[in-house]
Amino acid sequence: QSALTQPPSASGSPGQSVTISCTGTSSDVGDYNYVSWYQHHPGKAPKLMIYDFSKRPSGVPDRFSGSKSGNTASLTVSGLQAEDEADYYCSSFAGSNIWVFGGGTKLTVL
Amino acid sequence: EAELVESGGGLIQPGGSLRLSCAASGFTFSSYSMNWVRQAPGKGLEWISYVDRGGIVYYADSVRGRFTISRDNAQNSLFLQMNSLRAEDTAVYYCVRDLHFAFDSWGQGTLVTVSS
Repeated sequence: QSALTQPPSASGSPGQSVTISCTGTSSDVGDYNYVSWYQHHPGKAPKLMIYDFSKRPSGVPDRFSGSKSGNTASLTVSGLQAEDEADYYCSSFAGSNIWVFGGGTKLTVL
Repeated sequence: EAELVESGGGLIQPGGSLRLSCAASGFTFSSYSMNWVRQAPGKGLEWISYVDRGGIVYYADSVRGRFTISRDNAQNSLFLQMNSLRAEDTAVYYCVRDLHFAFDSWGQGTLVTVSS
């Protein structure tokens, strides 16, 4: 049950786009389309932003998009806004009724 | 709108036991699978346990054999019985609703501190 690999930090200026990667293996990200992304403002409840690697729940701005290629999934935030500054976590189903998370990426809006 | 409220956290000595509860409202609790996810201080999120609508359960290796997840659909409640607690179990524990392989509603979390 190894954690997925995310860059510890990412940044961008307001209005710019930033992409956060999430690298797993052929046993999790590479084998299932069940990749999800979460936004977490410290002290608050995490929020689901993307599920099934590219679907957005109702209410999530279309500035947030997800993709997947091989063992790597990505979250792109377009038109960065100040309120997007948060920690972002990816997660994947890993088979055998196990879910794994990434270590998290701190997104800073410059 | 779904609301999940955890309770039961606190300071406990190594080797001790604690039972977390999660009160659910705003949705038909019995229709959803549920999870517990935790976050140790300064660390990332870690999935630890799942229970489906019928009571089938799964655990992460890190807690299997020590933690027990259960639910009471009549009381709209989720529980986590934690035994043989270790320092590395210190974390904020979140009650989380399942959305078919994703986690779509989260509580605010309850802090468990395992220390002598």
